[in-house]
Formats: sequence, structure tokens, C-alpha cells
Amino acid sequence: EAGVAQSPRYKIIEKRQSVAFWCNPISGHATLYWYQQILGQGPKLLIQFQNNGVVDDSQLPKDRFSAERLKGVDSTLKIQPAKLEDSAVYLCASSPVHRGDNEQFFGPGTRLTVL
Amino acid sequence: AQRVTQPEKLLSVFKGAPVELKCNYSYSGSPELFWYVQYSRQRLQLLLRHISRESIKGFTADLNKGETSFHLKKPFAQEEDSAMYYCALAKYSGNTPLVFGKGTRLSVIA
Repeated sequence: EAGVAQSPRYKIIEKRQSVAFWCNPISGHATLYWYQQILGQGPKLLIQFQNNGVVDDSQLPKDRFSAERLKGVDSTLKIQPAKLEDSAVYLCASSPVHRGDNEQFFGPGTRLTVL
Repeated sequence: AQRVTQPEKLLSVFKGAPVELKCNYSYSGSPELFWYVQYSRQRLQLLLRHISRESIKGFTADLNKGETSFHLKKPFAQEEDSAMYYCALAKYSGNTPLVFGKGTRLSVIA
């Protein structure tokens, strides 16, 4: 099966600019996660979707970050305006709800550099 | 709040030597524990989970609830085991977010 797709793979912007990332999960996977991975750290959850509903966004900095999954398939994550500390790899992951075993399938990530 | 600690940032071993990557967690409930691995230029992928009690690529991990540990072990390291290893915790079974440790880079020297 095709894996989780993300684009772009790399993005360089200046602080205060906006940026958007796109994720296409594995077909049929109802659950979608966005994680932020800062250099030297493990991934940290930003938001979890179940179909097109938000399950957990408690760690999403909502003053500048937003995410949507309008049709329950693709998802976009936006940062506006970006800060230097947003430089990180943004990982998208998906999992099939019926398995319930918590295996998450990760995309290749988008590496964001904020100058 | 749940937390996962991997005390070693880097672990270097010789080929054929035993490997143990340490993982400790803090959580008051009964979590699920996982090891994820990221090989060079590849995506993060599941290596093994405690509920399945299986050995993958020669690696095993036993959940010790008394010591709140989930150390990853392999009796004889291979060069292809060189990678970044992340221990992760889920609060409960089902589709729940993972809490990751900072990771340990394993380097197997020929």
C-alpha cells in the first residue's frame, strides 16, 4: 500500500511569514496526527483528527497554528506568523481505527527552517 | 503527565556485541509501550510493541511495571542496526497519540 505522503519536503521562510504543509494519509486510515520534531527531541503531538473531527489539539499553539481535515482524508497544517522556534520537522502519521493497536504510519516529514 | 526518558543520546557498540537501549517512563495508568526506529533516510517506523511480546530483527523488549522500564535488547548487534531508536508511550490502547522519548542513536562499529 502507498505510504503517508507529505509535501513539501523542505521549506525555508523568514520569520513572520506564513507556511502550509499538506498530508495525505494511507487510504482508509481514519485517524491522522501531526507531530512537531525539534532537532534533538522526539516527536511531539500537535493535533489528532478522527475522520474530520479534532480529537486532541491541547498542545497546538492556536495563536499561530491551525489545522484542518475537511473531508476526512487530506489534512493541512498552517503556521501564521512563523517564529524562529518553529524550525522543526513536521511529521504526519495515520492509523486505521479498526485495529486499535496504536501502530502509526509516518510520512517522510517536512523540514521547516525559519530564518 | 506522561513522560518517556531515554538516558543515552548515543550508544556505540561493536558488531556482535550485545545491545541494550534504555527507556523509562512515568505514567500512573497502564500504558502501551513501543519502540520506533528511523534508519538513515527512511521514515519513522514501528519496531515492536510490548503487547505483542514478539522479537523483531532479533530485538526484544520487556515491560517492567515495577521499574517502569521498557529496555530494548539484542544479543548480537549487526551493522544494519545502526539507526535512531525512539521509545514511545500511549496512555491506552486504541488510536491515541504517542509520547516519545528524545531518542538514542545506535552506532554499530564493524
